Amino acid sequence: DVVMTQSPLSLPVTLGQPASISCRSSQTLVDSDGNIYFNWFQQRPGQSPRRLIYKISNRDSGVPDRFSGSGSGTDFTLEISRVEAEDVGVYYCMQGTLWPWTFGQGTKVEIK
Amino acid sequence: EVQLVESGGGLVQPGGSLRLSCAASGFTFSSYWMCWVRQAPGKGLEWLGNIRQDGSEVQYLDPVKGRFTISRDNARNLVYLQMNSLRVEDTAVYYCVTTSRDRSWDFWGQGALVTVSS
Repeated sequence: DVVMTQSPLSLPVTLGQPASISCRSSQTLVDSDGNIYFNWFQQRPGQSPRRLIYKISNRDSGVPDRFSGSGSGTDFTLEISRVEAEDVGVYYCMQGTLWPWTFGQGTKVEIK
Repeated sequence: EVQLVESGGGLVQPGGSLRLSCAASGFTFSSYWMCWVRQAPGKGLEWLGNIRQDGSEVQYLDPVKGRFTISRDNARNLVYLQMNSLRVEDTAVYYCVTTSRDRSWDFWGQGALVTVSS
């Protein structure tokens, strides 16, 4: 199975400041169709997960533009340009290229 | 508005069975893969399986293969997760999901709690 490794696992942030989460996959995520099905999810406290980013850098509908994704090969990054209070929660990377689809361990974002 | 509503969760003894249902509305159900994802208490997410639009293909995570069965009823807009031979480690919130890998389409239900305990 593809192992997804996130860092850091805990991220205290200051409101209005940027934040960054990294994710590394144990193998390349290029599908046979040439796409890389790499995603980022947000789970706010007490809520169901919500996908933020698909195919590395595409924002899902309704996702604020302060969220951006980048990466290639086996290394990927989620950036929040200016953290807001509603961004508190756990963020997961996830690959949907190779079965079974797998998540990272999660990064807990909290306000300092 | 897309809605996914799970039902059927509860307390079951080890070795027992339970069937979760997910009622979908607000979209053309028969056009989308449907999925189940679970989350053990205080833990991360685990993608359990997917079922093709017509039910002809189903994928399972190894730890549940042979014990869990995903099926769907396109006439009633329902997807099911039949869970047999349940173990304590199957205790989790189970989410019904519809997603597309290629475009902005990803919706989750509110989750159903399954507790396996004697």
